[in-house]
Amino acid sequence: EDQVTQSPEALRLQEGESSSLNCSYTVSGLRGLFWYRQDPGKGPEFLFTLYSAGEEKEKERLKATLTKKESFLHITAPKPEDSATYLCAVQAGSSNTGKLIFGQGTTLQVKP
Amino acid sequence: DVKVTQSSRYLVKRTGEKVFLECVQDMDHENMFWYRQDPGLGLRLIYFSYDVKMKEKGDIPEGYSVSREKKERFSLILESASTNQTSMYLCASSSSWGQGRDTQYFGPGTRLTVL
Repeated sequence: EDQVTQSPEALRLQEGESSSLNCSYTVSGLRGLFWYRQDPGKGPEFLFTLYSAGEEKEKERLKATLTKKESFLHITAPKPEDSATYLCAVQAGSSNTGKLIFGQGTTLQVKP
Repeated sequence: DVKVTQSSRYLVKRTGEKVFLECVQDMDHENMFWYRQDPGLGLRLIYFSYDVKMKEKGDIPEGYSVSREKKERFSLILESASTNQTSMYLCASSSSWGQGRDTQYFGPGTRLTVL
């Protein structure tokens, strides 16, 4: 069964304290892995798509990496405005309709 | 920029009412999706559509139906609203082609309360 697991469930950091969020997946052939940011009461906002192991993408303080079993979202010197829930999703190779499997998310709180 | 809009941000309905949630995207995307999001349960797929007039059940279709008469518009219908359908409803769309394929872009969500 295709599955996505994110850890930790919640993470508290001090401003400037770098850390990483993990997304482990088991799918029958990975077609794509997606990271989203979600603020309370709003829809998820797209961050990155990764398609193959070894691929990396960066945006401001965020960097996403991908291996054959997991993805990491590295947050360098976070600021309070980075506080949000980060969602990971995968698309299995067997899917040709764009259907994604979502993890439960990691809620990040960055304190000043 | 991709834009997905939803007809209401907040909605309050009574048990037994028929409820329509509308979603419109402006990027000519083939695929459209309806999710609900509840604390501790994450995002759950209700229905999706990969073409006009085409629809497929997601993981939790019971109590819901959908309509896609035009490519840009995807409607979610609660035939007879019940209190356990109180939730945040999210619409998304994606393209099947080219760079950035399959990336789902979400709308702002509709917070539905059924009394």
